[in-house]
Amino acid sequence: NAGVTQTPKFRILKIGQSMTLQCTQDMNHNYMYWYRQDPGMGLKLIYYSVGAGITDKGEVPNGYNVSRSTTEDFPLRLELAAPSQTSVYFCASSLGPDRYEQYFGPGTRLTVT
Amino acid sequence: KQEVTQIPAALSVPEGENLVLNCSFTDSAIYNLQWFRQDPGKGLTSLLLIQSSQREQTSGRLNASLDKSSGRSTLYIAASQPGDSATYLCAVVYSGTYKYIFGTGTRLKVLA
Repeated sequence: NAGVTQTPKFRILKIGQSMTLQCTQDMNHNYMYWYRQDPGMGLKLIYYSVGAGITDKGEVPNGYNVSRSTTEDFPLRLELAAPSQTSVYFCASSLGPDRYEQYFGPGTRLTVT
Repeated sequence: KQEVTQIPAALSVPEGENLVLNCSFTDSAIYNLQWFRQDPGKGLTSLLLIQSSQREQTSGRLNASLDKSSGRSTLYIAASQPGDSATYLCAVVYSGTYKYIFGTGTRLKVLA
């Protein structure tokens, strides 16, 4: 049971480039989340999804896009990367946030220069 | 605004000491509260989940309590060890939402 997996682990982007961060979970969780964590800070919610085909904005969605075509996958797209998007990105999933734990992937460390 | 606060931001204790980490939230209407551990450069590992209807949860040397009326949770670590050194985060799911709101964490260092 792999849990929540994320690729890549590290990435360096130039300003203006685009990329997709991949997230997959094998626990059949409906709820999936993308967070960013800046040094010394807590986690900020970027986007979340309550099921295939349903997504919604979190606290800091500007500069990002998501899609959820399957239960397992929840990719995060960065368009026109900016230095302010340098951060560690975590994907997480849950069977249901009202009663169940949230499980995290190992993270993607992104640097935009 | 629904927020979560953790104090202190950092804590350094000698090995063997019992310690308490604090988490405060602004609205008593919550589904649950979850405590996580994060090692440097790593993801978050779930430690304990407390449902709204519960007062505490225990796992080994860890005990988490929940007092909704005062908007507080505490994580008690008994007989601390150097291996407990990490950042501890709490997250709250407020009722009527699907989102976890995180505190900024307490960075714990246990000295051998």
